[in-house]
Amino acid sequence: AQSVTQPDIHITVSEGASLELRCNYSYGATPYLFWYVQSPGQGLQLLLKYFSGDTLVQGIKGFEAEFKRSQSSFNLRKPSVHWSDAAEYFCAVGWRANNDMRFGAGTRLTVKP
Amino acid sequence: ETGVTQSPTHLIKTRGQQVTLRCSSQSGHNTVSWYQQALGQGPQFIFQYYREEENGRGNFPPRFSGLQFPNYSSELNVNALELDDSALYLCASSLAGGGSSYNEQFFGPGTRLTVL
Repeated sequence: AQSVTQPDIHITVSEGASLELRCNYSYGATPYLFWYVQSPGQGLQLLLKYFSGDTLVQGIKGFEAEFKRSQSSFNLRKPSVHWSDAAEYFCAVGWRANNDMRFGAGTRLTVKP
Repeated sequence: ETGVTQSPTHLIKTRGQQVTLRCSSQSGHNTVSWYQQALGQGPQFIFQYYREEENGRGNFPPRFSGLQFPNYSSELNVNALELDDSALYLCASSLAGGGSSYNEQFFGPGTRLTVL
């Protein structure tokens, strides 16, 4: 069955430290991959997406993600975290044959001063 | 270009009541999808509407129903509300048949439904 896994429920990092949020998916074909951020009480904001081509994708707010086909992963990274990055992050996967998107359960990021 | 809008922003209902949530799709989009996001969880796909017909459905009971209008706006109706229906309901619009390899979805801000 198609699924998206975000192994880390909650991550705490210090401001200025680097960040990596993990995402794995299960599906036979290459999916379309997304990372969204959600602040409390807000909707989803798209950080970046991967459809094809270069497997290292740059997004907004200094985020990047790398698609690794061999590991079925699409991990999100940021070299230096800011306090304003504290939020919930969702990895999502879409498939051309389907009409829906599948979301991971999310990773809550806390940033320590 | 107008983004996806949803109304109302917040809604409080009691168990057993019925509710209607509304979504206006982004200009030029012809497809609307609805998602339910319970507290502490990722969004779950409810259903999608294309050309006023349901075009895919997730694992939700029939008391969740929808409509799409000729102007591509959409409604989500939930009958016989249960406490577990309390969630953020997200609407997303996309353009099907536009020639792209994937119909990327653009999300609205959501409607927060509380069932007491």
